[in-house]
Amino acid sequence: KNEVEQSPQNLTAQEGEFITINCSYSVGISALHWLQQHPGGGIVSLFMLSSGKKKHGRLIATINIQEKHSSLHITASHPRDSAVYICAASIQGAQKLVFGQGTRLTINP
Amino acid sequence: GAVVSQHPSWVICKSGTSVKIECRSLDFQATTMFWYRQFPKQSLMLMATSNEGSKATYEQGVEKDKFLINHASLTLSTLTVTSAHPEDSSFYICSASWGSRPGETQYFGPGTRLLVL
Repeated sequence: KNEVEQSPQNLTAQEGEFITINCSYSVGISALHWLQQHPGGGIVSLFMLSSGKKKHGRLIATINIQEKHSSLHITASHPRDSAVYICAASIQGAQKLVFGQGTRLTINP
Repeated sequence: GAVVSQHPSWVICKSGTSVKIECRSLDFQATTMFWYRQFPKQSLMLMATSNEGSKATYEQGVEKDKFLINHASLTLSTLTVTSAHPEDSSFYICSASWGSRPGETQYFGPGTRLLVL
């Protein structure tokens, strides 16, 4: 079992829908990252959080440390949000990130 | 925000040649750089971690003689794929970080797509 699990693996929705992507982890972490990878390959860091909730535009990320669970929400989704979303955990005491498998999101017009 | 660049973005080479990929932090000093490899429709796989001025730490299963990493300055790390073969074709991504907790502050480069013929 992976240390970081994402669901769903694939998600297709219509423009305007509210999107939720989930991430569960089984290890002690110091922070959790949400990353976005567009078809061209480049990776953009969306959020880094260790507690509570963060919001940036139409994107919201939450984390529940007790439940070892994080969610990424997209409100009023748009076709340009189509990308792969990856959660990654900063492991306590380690330099490296552990990545989830990614969620491929497709928003249809 | 912190910017990381990679060069080249695309490279096609013949089997047996060596290819060098550069990763630069443009507006900060990166004490730690990470090199990742990504196969199609898969997540990132960490290859090695390099700290400025010291030898890189390779992940299990990554050949250090095959993938040479040099982190000679606080703004530049290079990955050289030596004697490249078609199975080395992949998407290579670097990330750069600073501070005492580099796992928490990683900024990713745009990636380099390598095709070995």
